[in-house]
Amino acid sequence: DAGVTQSPTHLIKTRGQQVTLRCSPKSGHDTVSWYQQALGQGPQFIFQYYEEEERQRGNFPDRFSGHQFPNYSSELNVNALLLGDSALYLCASSLPGGSSAGELFFGEGSRLTVL
Amino acid sequence: GQSLEQPSEVTAVEGAIVQINCTYQTSGFYGLSWYQQHDGGAPTFLSYNALDGLEETGRFSSFLSRSDSYGYLLLQELQMKDSASYFCAVRDPQGSQGNLIFGKGTKLSVKP
Repeated sequence: DAGVTQSPTHLIKTRGQQVTLRCSPKSGHDTVSWYQQALGQGPQFIFQYYEEEERQRGNFPDRFSGHQFPNYSSELNVNALLLGDSALYLCASSLPGGSSAGELFFGEGSRLTVL
Repeated sequence: GQSLEQPSEVTAVEGAIVQINCTYQTSGFYGLSWYQQHDGGAPTFLSYNALDGLEETGRFSSFLSRSDSYGYLLLQELQMKDSASYFCAVRDPQGSQGNLIFGKGTKLSVKP
């Protein structure tokens, strides 16, 4: 049973460019959440997708957008990249309706470097 | 707003016991979760406490005191592979499951 998979694992962009990150949730999971983790910090919630719609959003600008496909996979898009967008981007999936423990299953992330 | 405080670093030797504390401030509380993250790896779920008391899972235990807004993760019989960052997290009271607020993490170094 494959866990959460993300691609690409590493990428380098320059300021002003756009990036798309991809995520396939764990089998049987229908909800995908995206997190940004800066070096030495805890993950910070960006947004969550369920039934192909953005259900919740954290404190991130509109440059951050996403999409969920019918197979529950998801994309995170970031436009007009800034140096401060350099971080590890984590995708997490959860069971339909969530679990009582609120357990999230994370992928290993996409490491974005903006030069 | 919501915030969680935990020590930035802890060092211990193999075979020892270490406790990682977490205090939280939140307008609504559902429970306290703990995640482990090795360098370059994915955060992995360790435990969850919704009610006061101690939950034990093998070498790891987690404790919660809702009245004190405090919890801790206890790691026993430390092994080198336990060297990692440990994060406490609470659910955003304005959000659904999957919307977690994390502490900044505690980097645990286990020495031989």
